[in-house]
Amino acid sequence: QKEVEQNSGPLSVPEGAIASLNCTYSDRGSQSFFWYRQYSGKSPELIMSIYSNGDKEDGRFTAQLNKASQYVSLLIRDSQPSDSATYLCAVTPDSSYKLIFGSGTRLLVRP
Amino acid sequence: DTGVSQDPRHKITKRGQNVTFRCDPISEHNRLYWYRQTLGQGPEFLTYFQNEAQLEKSRLLSDRFSAERPKGSFSTLEIQRTEQGDSAMYLCASSLESLSASSYEQYFGPGTRLTVT
Repeated sequence: QKEVEQNSGPLSVPEGAIASLNCTYSDRGSQSFFWYRQYSGKSPELIMSIYSNGDKEDGRFTAQLNKASQYVSLLIRDSQPSDSATYLCAVTPDSSYKLIFGSGTRLLVRP
Repeated sequence: DTGVSQDPRHKITKRGQNVTFRCDPISEHNRLYWYRQTLGQGPEFLTYFQNEAQLEKSRLLSDRFSAERPKGSFSTLEIQRTEQGDSAMYLCASSLESLSASSYEQYFGPGTRLTVT
């Protein structure tokens, strides 16, 4: 079992729709949770961080964390074609600062 | 405020050669991380430094790989006797140690793409 699991996609949504991206993790002691966006050929860009159960909103992005279910999600409202990218979920395991990444979900926003 | 920089951006080398990459973190950041990413996968942790101390290395890291951060500023990653399986994007990230949760937030450089022929 992978430590961080994501559906590889592609997830295809029409412009203006809500895109919902999901991630599960295996280490119950994980402390911090992140979403990175990665365009093809580029490096990951941090878009959201979340540390406690519940929702965290930043502009069109909402991160949701449920530690009991070991589940993190990212909602992108009013999706734009420029949101088309791979979204990487990352967690920090207990007692470490390293990031453990999932393989990413590819999002396609259709004009 | 400049971000993380890496040099070179691309490197093509022949199998068996040694290569060295450089990373300059965001200026006030004292933690520096190296990751490797292959096509279709998320970045894989290699090692990290807090100031000049190397605090963690991946158990998967071959002894052909070595990293240094001698003055707690820039870091180098050297791969000796390169193999074709070393072809990947090598990413550097940095973060700032603080009392807040944001000390876990890592910011990535543009990466060095290594091709071993």
